[in-house]
Amino acid sequence: GAGVSQSPSNKVTEKGKDVELRCDPISGHTALYWYRQSLGQGLEFLIYFQGNSAPDKSGLPSDRFSAERTGGSVSTLTIQRTQQEDSAVYLCASSLAPNQPQHFGDGTRLSIL
Amino acid sequence: AQRVTQPEKLLSVFKGAPVELKCNYSYSGSPELFWYVQYSRQRLQLLLRHISRESIKGFTADLNKGETSFHLKKPFAQEEDSAMYYCALQPGGGADGLTFGKGTHLIIQP
Repeated sequence: GAGVSQSPSNKVTEKGKDVELRCDPISGHTALYWYRQSLGQGLEFLIYFQGNSAPDKSGLPSDRFSAERTGGSVSTLTIQRTQQEDSAVYLCASSLAPNQPQHFGDGTRLSIL
Repeated sequence: AQRVTQPEKLLSVFKGAPVELKCNYSYSGSPELFWYVQYSRQRLQLLLRHISRESIKGFTADLNKGETSFHLKKPFAQEEDSAMYYCALQPGGGADGLTFGKGTHLIIQP
């Protein structure tokens, strides 16, 4: 079956613009995770959804970042007023349940000019 | 807060030699530990988790709670083992994301 799907695979945008990143988890997976991978910081956890709710949003880097999940499936990560330090690969993962192994997508490579 | 440390950014060994990738963690509770691998131009994938106690592709890892370590070992390295390896921790219960180490780039020389 299909794995975790992320779109777009690459996004180049100007500083100050808003961007929306999409994640399609594996069908039936109730838990969904967003991570950011950057050169200086490595892989950092951003936010986790169980169903449609995110119990803890403290991992989001700033209030310009928001995420939602609807219908227990697709999730979007939105970054408003992008800054150059937002340039990174944004990874999504899903798992059957919170204590099960996470399956990762290919990521979205975001470049802010 | 939890932390995962992988002291080696780069590890180069010859084919057929033993490999050990080090991972140390700090966490006050009972964590779940994982090793993830990323081969060139492929997505991050799970290699093994401590609770399953499996050997995957010849790799094993033992959780040592006394030393708070979860080192990854393979007795005889193969060229196809060349990849980035990440050690990761998840708080027990799983209702949280993974905390990753910075990764070790393993190069197997012919």
